[in-house]
Amino acid sequence: DAMVIQNPRYQVTQFGKPVTLSCSQTLNHNVMYWYQQKSSQAPKLLFHYYDKDFNNEADTPDNFQSRRPNTSFCFLDIRSPGLGDAAMYLCATSREGGRGTGTGARNTQYFGPGTRLTVL
Amino acid sequence: EDQVTQSPEALRLQEGESSSLNCSYTVSGLRGLFWYRQDPGKGPEFLFTLYSAGEEKEKERLKATLTKKESFLHITAPKPEDSATYLCAVTDGGATNKLIFGTGTLLAVQP
Repeated sequence: DAMVIQNPRYQVTQFGKPVTLSCSQTLNHNVMYWYQQKSSQAPKLLFHYYDKDFNNEADTPDNFQSRRPNTSFCFLDIRSPGLGDAAMYLCATSREGGRGTGTGARNTQYFGPGTRLTVL
Repeated sequence: EDQVTQSPEALRLQEGESSSLNCSYTVSGLRGLFWYRQDPGKGPEFLFTLYSAGEEKEKERLKATLTKKESFLHITAPKPEDSATYLCAVTDGGATNKLIFGTGTLLAVQP
């Protein structure tokens, strides 16, 4: 089955120790997104890639970076995690984004299972 | 400013007791309203996409409807396995195709 895969499912890191979260997709979608979701809150978009074009949300801290080496994979790097960065990190994909013909099923976002990050 | 408000925040139903969840939205040029189900500790699971007022979609015990200002998720004869948080989100199809989420309705269905 085509899907969005995130690894690891649970990640524990120490305050200030860099960490990388991974996302892969078999849907062959053009767009990949990273969201942060804190307990009992709505998911918040951090950034997204439309193909190789990187788009950062204005309020995403500089501490968060991303890489997309190919269509299938996308990584979230947290350079110096703080206690406030503990959250669920969600990867999502869509066939098209706003710059494409983004109506119908083409702009529907499909989410992975998430990575729960704990910062000690 | 684009905004999504969901009500109620939490809903407890008895098995078989039908009800509706509400999602009110304000967006400049709706390009999609999405319903997701989220179980504890997991990512949102896609349920429905709606695009124009009057549109309806069904899946098993769930039916989603859309007007120009709100969407309803109707749950008919719910079962305990329907217990989850239901998230509503909209996009204006802008440069980012950004989803604006509501804070969700936590549904508990008791046997």
